[in-house]
Amino acid sequence: NAGVTQTPKFRILKIGQSMTLQCTQDMNHNYMYWYRQDPGMGLKLIYYSVGAGITDKGEVPNGYNVSRSTTEDFPLRLELAAPSQTSVYFCASRGGQVIGGQPQHFGDGTRLSIL
Amino acid sequence: QKEVEQNSGPLSVPEGAIASLNCTYSDRVSQSFFWYRQYSGKSPELIMSIYSNGDKEDGRFTAQLNKASQYVSLLIRDSQPSDSATYLCAVHTGNQFYFGTGTSLTVIP
Repeated sequence: NAGVTQTPKFRILKIGQSMTLQCTQDMNHNYMYWYRQDPGMGLKLIYYSVGAGITDKGEVPNGYNVSRSTTEDFPLRLELAAPSQTSVYFCASRGGQVIGGQPQHFGDGTRLSIL
Repeated sequence: QKEVEQNSGPLSVPEGAIASLNCTYSDRVSQSFFWYRQYSGKSPELIMSIYSNGDKEDGRFTAQLNKASQYVSLLIRDSQPSDSATYLCAVHTGNQFYFGTGTSLTVIP
């Protein structure tokens, strides 16, 4: 049981390039989340999904896009990378209902540098 | 803007002492509360979850929730050097989770 798997673990991009951060979970969780964590800061929600085909914006969605075509996969797309997007990106998933929610399970993260 | 506030620390305690970590939140309708531990360069790891007022104990960890005061705390008894990490408070409201900036804890041998 792998849990939440993120790829790649590290990436360096040039300004203006695009890339997709991959996230896959094998726990059959409906809810999936993308966060970014800047040094010394907490996690900021970028996008989330409550099930296949349904996504919604979090606190900091600008510059990112997501899709959720299957229960397992929730890729995060960066278009026109900017230095402000240098961060560590975490994907998380959880099961259960909205009320009395289950905790999130996190992937190992992707360290992204934009130069 | 929903807010979760934590003392950033750093908090230093001697080995064997009790470490006390605090968190306040702004949204009264928040439903569930979680404490995560994050080692440097690693992903957050769930320590405790609490859903109703009062105390919840799990080994050396005790979470306390007071919804009237909008306050959550985490006590770590018999602190060990391996407890040295950043502790994140997370509040679940609706479909989203809101995180504090974390409290850095150092346990001194």
